[in-house]
Amino acid sequence: GNSVTQMEGPVTLSEEAFLTINCTYTATGYPSLFWYVQYPGEGLQLLLKATKADDKGSNKGFEATYRKETTSFHLEKGSVQVSDSAVYFCALLGGSQGNLIFGKGTKLSVKP
Amino acid sequence: DAGVTQSPTHLIKTRGQQVTLRCSPKSGHDTVSWYQQALGQGPQFIFQYYEEEERQRGNFPDRFSGHQFPNYSSELNVNALLLGDSALYLCASSLVDRVNSPLHFGNGTRLTVT
Repeated sequence: GNSVTQMEGPVTLSEEAFLTINCTYTATGYPSLFWYVQYPGEGLQLLLKATKADDKGSNKGFEATYRKETTSFHLEKGSVQVSDSAVYFCALLGGSQGNLIFGKGTKLSVKP
Repeated sequence: DAGVTQSPTHLIKTRGQQVTLRCSPKSGHDTVSWYQQALGQGPQFIFQYYEEEERQRGNFPDRFSGHQFPNYSSELNVNALLLGDSALYLCASSLVDRVNSPLHFGNGTRLTVT
């Protein structure tokens, strides 16, 4: 079945450091891929998405490229800020629009 | 423009009891999905409602049921609560079959079963 695997956290970085959070997926076909972010005490917010191979999603300095060959969708940011501290979830669209399959999440802490 | 609203924000129940959680979708949205997020885990899909009917269902027992009303709001009911049902329950709304319409999540209801 469809599944998403994310790198284990937590990840602790200093402000302005480079961020990579790895995400790989198993799926039939080529599902749409997403990164969601969850700030403390809040629900999930869509950070970026890619709907087909080689698409690059980007938002707020974050980027991820849909790699069909490696079944990956790694999240990157060149220079993190303290305000980026949150839990990040990689997800794929398993069925219709509402059926997202999430990874376990990676907690990011950015220190000043 | 109000986003997705959920009530209550927190709830404590005893094992064996029943609970009802409520969700109002974002204005203009017609589809509601429910997710269960256990502590330290990613959300898991419970089911989706559209036109007042359950459209899709994840791997959850029949103790989990739902309803959608004509105004698109939705309820999640859980019967015979177990300790393992303790989790954050998230509601998400969207427009049906619109690939470019992302899911909008509420802040969730934190359910604790003792």
